[in-house]
Amino acid sequence: SSELTQDPAVSVALGQTVRITCQGDSLRSYYASWYQQKPGQAPVLVIYGKNNRPSGIPDRFSGSSSGNTASLTITGAQAEDEADYYCNSRDSSGNHLNYVFGTGTKVTVL
Amino acid sequence: EVQLVESGGGLVKPGGSLRLSCAASGFTFSSYSMNWVRQAPGKGLEWVSSISSSSSYIYYADSVKGRFTISRDNAKNSLYLQMNSLRAEDTAVYYCARDLRYSSGWSLDYWGQGTLVTVSS
Repeated sequence: SSELTQDPAVSVALGQTVRITCQGDSLRSYYASWYQQKPGQAPVLVIYGKNNRPSGIPDRFSGSSSGNTASLTITGAQAEDEADYYCNSRDSSGNHLNYVFGTGTKVTVL
Repeated sequence: EVQLVESGGGLVKPGGSLRLSCAASGFTFSSYSMNWVRQAPGKGLEWVSSISSSSSYIYYADSVKGRFTISRDNAKNSLYLQMNSLRAEDTAVYYCARDLRYSSGWSLDYWGQGTLVTVSS
């Protein structure tokens, strides 16, 4: 099955911009989704598809993709954005339509 | 309001079995594929299994194939995960998640709060 690789941790100053990347072969065929997870809580979908935000997700979250890399950008990071972020996509490498998750990125807001 | 509520977690010995349930409300359950995703303590997310709306298509991660069985009861708005031959490495919080099918792909748009499964002697 495919793998999705993310940087383990990034930090951003309050109000600045941070980009989180996700790399993997499955991203050549399928769009990535991005999830935010705070300690002790369930993941929350923040970006899906080309650059779609579910209702209630602030517009400072945006997504993009190119080739085998997807990116999540937080423009004007807020203290409440400090969390773990996971990408995921469909994966058909094993002749079955599975999901694969990225390794996760811990975002620290300074 | 979409709600997914998992139950059935607990402490089980290696080799034992457990059945997880996920009660869905706030949407037409029978129209959506559903998933189980797990997270070992301090680790990342791992997709476990998917089931289509009418149970026609079922998929498993290699790590659980042959040991876990996903099922659903659309009349009861419920999703299940039967877990047999449990191992220590199956210890995790198990989440049920709804499948979002959109024009250009798939995503997991709603998640339950999770139920903890601990496999230990």
